[in-house]
Amino acid sequence: EAQVTQNPRYLITVTGKKLTVTCSQNMNHEYMSWYRQDPGLGLRQIYYSMNVEVTDKGDVPEGYKVSRKEKRNFPLILESPSPNQTSLYFCASRPGTGGSSYNEQFFGPGTRLTVL
Amino acid sequence: AQKITQTQPGMFVQEKEAVTLDCTYDTSDPSYGLFWYKQPSSGEMIFLIYQGSYDQQNATEGRYSLNFQKARKSANLVISASQLGDSAMYFCAMREGLGYSTLTFGKGTMLLVSP
Repeated sequence: EAQVTQNPRYLITVTGKKLTVTCSQNMNHEYMSWYRQDPGLGLRQIYYSMNVEVTDKGDVPEGYKVSRKEKRNFPLILESPSPNQTSLYFCASRPGTGGSSYNEQFFGPGTRLTVL
Repeated sequence: AQKITQTQPGMFVQEKEAVTLDCTYDTSDPSYGLFWYKQPSSGEMIFLIYQGSYDQQNATEGRYSLNFQKARKSANLVISASQLGDSAMYFCAMREGLGYSTLTFGKGTMLLVSP
């Protein structure tokens, strides 16, 4: 089954304790991205990657890191989490450019993170 | 300026009625795509419908249709014959240009369908 998986689905942690949220897709997609969703703000992009070893900042990258060592995986790293990073996080993937603005984006199930 | 504006924080509709969720967008790129996603209380993002800027006809997918008015830069989602399971948050999103451009989301509209 074609899917994007994220782990963990739920996480409660404390300020300053490094954490990683994993994301994996089995569709051989080139493009992967991370979003955070906060009430009243919709989804905002944190980082994206156009292919292996190619990453770039989205709209809200502060406090986050990513890596893309393999095509299927795109982990999100919070080196020193703070309470304002409490949010719902989504990983997404889609095919690379095909000369179309389409290319449906597939979302993972989300990771609900609470930083105390 | 916001690229995607959803002016209705919440909407109420009775079962079996039609409902329109508003979305306006702002772009100077002639090539763009507009998407609608549904997010039920379980949290997952479900793709509903897509409209390309060059598409001549309004997109339709089952009970969902997109009322695309290019000159007014609006892309309203119409849900016909609402069902209780349509209660969810709905997001409008836009991708400008081609290739690897970002998908930008609006703030969402919460739809509640009552019996």
